[in-house]
Amino acid sequence: QQPVQSPQAVILREGEDAVINCSSSKALYSVHWYRQKHGEAPIFLMILLKGGEQKGHDKISASFNEKKQQSSLYLTASQLSYSGTYFCGTRVTGGFKTIFGAGTRLFVKA
Amino acid sequence: DAGVIQSPRHEVTEMGQEVTLRCKPISGHNSLFWYRQTMMRGLELLIYFNNNVPIDDSGMPEDRFSAKMPNASFSTLKIQPSEPRDSAVYFCASSLEGQTNEQFFGPGTRLTVL
Repeated sequence: QQPVQSPQAVILREGEDAVINCSSSKALYSVHWYRQKHGEAPIFLMILLKGGEQKGHDKISASFNEKKQQSSLYLTASQLSYSGTYFCGTRVTGGFKTIFGAGTRLFVKA
Repeated sequence: DAGVIQSPRHEVTEMGQEVTLRCKPISGHNSLFWYRQTMMRGLELLIYFNNNVPIDDSGMPEDRFSAKMPNASFSTLKIQPSEPRDSAVYFCASSLEGQTNEQFFGPGTRLTVL
């Protein structure tokens, strides 16, 4: 079942922060985050594994609450280059199948 | 590394014609995934292979779609006969499952069926 992402879209000014949420109705093993720019392929950002870990990548970080079956992506001090569509992908235990959410469109303006 | 290679990048065909999309995964990767992306349905997993073996094809829309992976460096996705509703961007991705699990996507094939 497809994970639910929120919000569907967000507009930011450069330097502002944003949070993108991803929730699933199934018990998750891992959550994957990707960013896709218009006309390009999705690019991997990070993977969070069962265990409730938190990861960071420059000014982009994420958390995974396995009990709530939720993950959040945090974008701090957003830059113009952060614009794009962010997808979360979820996996259950025992498989390689990643089910992607519908995406969150992020637009950062100067 | 050249990354995941897909061909053709663009394909325009007429309804009823056979379409073959090709993918070369990253060398050393053990898993390959075919996705379809449309505005309406988002990014859908069609099928994935592990060590050249199809593991899950539950996302393949119907019998008109078939996929093969004859060796570790090549995969095809075939649509026969094609229909206008098959128009989409088709991505191939590969990964080293059991290690990083990060999927590397190819540039995609934009298919238009008239």
